[in-house]
Amino acid sequence: DGGITQSPKYLFRKEGQNVTLSCEQNLNHDAMYWYRQDPGQGLRLIYYSQIVNDFQKGDIAEGYSVSREKKESFPLTVTSAQKNPTAFYLCASGRQVIGGELFFGEGSRLTVL
Amino acid sequence: DQQVKQNSPSLSVQEGRISILNCDYTNSMFDYFLWYKKYPAEGPTFLISISSIKDKNEDGRFTVFLNKSAKHLSLHIVPSQPGDSAVYFCAAGGTGSARQLTFGSGTQLTV
Repeated sequence: DGGITQSPKYLFRKEGQNVTLSCEQNLNHDAMYWYRQDPGQGLRLIYYSQIVNDFQKGDIAEGYSVSREKKESFPLTVTSAQKNPTAFYLCASGRQVIGGELFFGEGSRLTVL
Repeated sequence: DQQVKQNSPSLSVQEGRISILNCDYTNSMFDYFLWYKKYPAEGPTFLISISSIKDKNEDGRFTVFLNKSAKHLSLHIVPSQPGDSAVYFCAAGGTGSARQLTFGSGTQLTV
């Protein structure tokens, strides 16, 4: 089945540690995205990539880093510089067409202790 | 500055009645709009969309209305069912600087 796989689903880390969230898609989509969801807030864009080896900062990129070495993969690293990393992280992919929908993974819940 | 606003954080509707979820936007560069449905601890799933050249789009029990002059859209669910209980996000996108989707804060619908 085609889709987006995020792992791990739940992750606990100590303050000051970097963590990497995995996102893999087999939908053959060019574009991939990382969003963050906090209670009572909408989805905020962290980073996006429209093509391999290229990515752009979203609205809240500080404290995060990404890579796009393969079309299928777009991992997100939450660094120790991120001041409030506890959140629900969502990866998405989509075709590069105006008005095209995004397909989301099931999300990763990161809790920093 | 929130460019896409869902002013009602929650809505409670009886089974079988109509649910109306509202969304307002401020950016005139938005020219397409989408609704997503999200269950707890899951990713959002696409529900329905509308482009700015239309004022209505219907898909089964779901209808989205767009009022461009008021910069307002709404999602109607008729009849509402218990399985519709979820958080609904509206999202908007366009061209240029508005190309990436901007999401509202969501409305929790309870049926």
